[in-house]
Amino acid sequence: DARVTQTPRHKVTEMGQEVTMRCQPILGHNTVFWYRQTMMQGLELLAYFRNRAPLDDSGMPKDRFSAEMPDATLATLKIQPSEPRDSAVYFCASGASGLAGGPRTDTQYFGPGTRLTVL
Amino acid sequence: AQSVTQPDIHITVSEGASLELRCNYSYGATPYLFWYVQSPGQGLQLLLKYFSGDTLVQGIKGFEAEFKRSQSSFNLRKPSVHWSDAAEYFCAVGVYNTDKLIFGTGTRLQVFP
Repeated sequence: DARVTQTPRHKVTEMGQEVTMRCQPILGHNTVFWYRQTMMQGLELLAYFRNRAPLDDSGMPKDRFSAEMPDATLATLKIQPSEPRDSAVYFCASGASGLAGGPRTDTQYFGPGTRLTVL
Repeated sequence: AQSVTQPDIHITVSEGASLELRCNYSYGATPYLFWYVQSPGQGLQLLLKYFSGDTLVQGIKGFEAEFKRSQSSFNLRKPSVHWSDAAEYFCAVGVYNTDKLIFGTGTRLQVFP
């Protein structure tokens, strides 16, 4: 049963520290998404990649957040320096892009999330 | 701009009762519509999706949804709710010619025994 994996599942850190979250997409998927979920804002798309190329990071605070895909099996989301307002659950999702017209990705498969607490 | 509205923030039903969760969308072309479920502490899981064809879509866990273009709606239904259905439900629309989804704000379902 193929799944998206995320590490760590929980992270508690102090303000100013660097945080790195990792995601392993489902093998064969070529799109990877990073979302942030909070009570106040709901589910927000931070960035996404297709074939490892960043396509849209307009939802991400550029001054402190960065997202990369070093290879097809690993996506990373870094926050440096972290702030208390970054406390949230961060989800990675992957999918297969290739539909003609419409949304290019059929179904997004979500990982279990990383719960980040910044003190 | 595309948008998704879930009018009900919180719904409570008794176990065994029927369920309907509302979803309205704003979209210029033929929408690609999804329902996801999120159990506490978990990621989102796809329940069902509509791309074209039969407007009544069957999904997992006994859920179904009906696409009604005239009402710009894609409501989720289940004839008999189980306690394990307690979760948050998200409706989403696919953005044309991108890989992105626009999610609604979610409806939290509580099930009483």
